[in-house]
Amino acid sequence: QSVLTQPPSASATPGQTVTISCSGSSSNIGGSTVKWYQQLPGTAPKLLIYNNDERPSGVPDRFSGSKSGTSASLAISGLQSEDEADYYCAAWDDRLSGPVFGGGTKLTVL
Amino acid sequence: QVQLQQWGTGLLKTSETLSLTCGVYGGSFSGDYWSWIRQSPGKGLEWIGEINRSGSTNYNPSLKSRVTISIDTSKEQFSLKLNSVTAADTAVYYCARDRGAQGLDSWGQGTQVTVSS
Repeated sequence: QSVLTQPPSASATPGQTVTISCSGSSSNIGGSTVKWYQQLPGTAPKLLIYNNDERPSGVPDRFSGSKSGTSASLAISGLQSEDEADYYCAAWDDRLSGPVFGGGTKLTVL
Repeated sequence: QVQLQQWGTGLLKTSETLSLTCGVYGGSFSGDYWSWIRQSPGKGLEWIGEINRSGSTNYNPSLKSRVTISIDTSKEQFSLKLNSVTAADTAVYYCARDRGAQGLDSWGQGTQVTVSS
């Protein structure tokens, strides 16, 4: 059971926009910044979003993040087939004194 | 861009000690925390612990009694030892650079660790 809650799956067709939610509590999302990671099959997770809404160099601006209170969202616009992957949210947790993760959302591009 | 490459034993028997090492290449070894994270089908991504260049460590309380993370600054490597392993420790283990608010921005390739009886 993951500390942060994500829907297990999401799907959309190419070109559409999909949003993935992430719910936590005051000890993690509510008091910290949110990160999002993309994991392609058989590879390590890759940082997609940090500081709630900032993109590392090289990440397309089709990916955007937001946070409100104890929840966060990742939006992917102009969906492409190569976006098919697992997406994880993460945040620092004061009780753990370390990062906690969501259970992951498997995105299918129909 | 820093690159992390990890290695270690992938097949263990119950009660043995898991040992993995992560080498840091192409970037500064200072100023950040260096983390170990594992991923299993049942528990998803789980933070194990971290260490900085000075040797200061933080561990997940659920694993703290069995985990030791160490660092060798001369070789720019850091290591994970997890003792008394059981089947519940079967997972893919990753090393990563933790930049705090900037996230885990560089990851090793992952090592599948399987514990059997």
